[in-house]
Amino acid sequence: AQRVTQPEKLLSVFKGAPVELKCNYSYSGSPELFWYVQYSRQRLQLLLRHISRESIKGFTADLNKGETSFHLKKPFAQEEDSAMYYCALLSGSARQLTFGSGTQLTVLP
Amino acid sequence: EAQVTQNPRYLITVTGKKLTVTCSQNMNHEYMSWYRQDPGLGLRQIYYSMNVEVTDKGDVPEGYKVSRKEKRNFPLILESPSPNQTSLYFCASRSGGEIYGYTFGSGTRLTVV
Repeated sequence: AQRVTQPEKLLSVFKGAPVELKCNYSYSGSPELFWYVQYSRQRLQLLLRHISRESIKGFTADLNKGETSFHLKKPFAQEEDSAMYYCALLSGSARQLTFGSGTQLTVLP
Repeated sequence: EAQVTQNPRYLITVTGKKLTVTCSQNMNHEYMSWYRQDPGLGLRQIYYSMNVEVTDKGDVPEGYKVSRKEKRNFPLILESPSPNQTSLYFCASRSGGEIYGYTFGSGTRLTVV
């Protein structure tokens, strides 16, 4: 069965510092991974998808199949980055999303 | 505007009183899902639907029902709500040909007392 693990429930960094949110996955097939962001209990918004290898709001994420990881990184955190971040895996014939438990990022002034 | 609409946004109810949370999408998406979000547990899937009249259980289906009579609507039904169903609920939809993930509704905060 597929599983997504985000080991950090809470993460605090100072403004301007680098930030890395960890995500590890377990899946026997070829993974399709995403990062979603949720600001102040609003709706979840798609932030990144590994397949497009893009940078959104300064965030990047690289799929490392050897380490089964998809960590989210930003070189200089901003206060407006404070939010809950979820890593998610799309899998199965029904193409369902399995979420990690989320990491609450707080960027301190 | 392409969106997923949930109603109501907030609901307080009493144990055992049947309720329905509606979900509607205007993007002609085939796939729809319901999730509940709880602190420390992330989002867990309750039910999903691959198309009209095709529904299946997710990870935490107990105490919930769904129906998919029309492509755009996917209501979540709690026949006899209990306090452990107090949660934040999200509906989401995706096109069959879309590989870029789901579009989420704004959420419904349900409190069962």
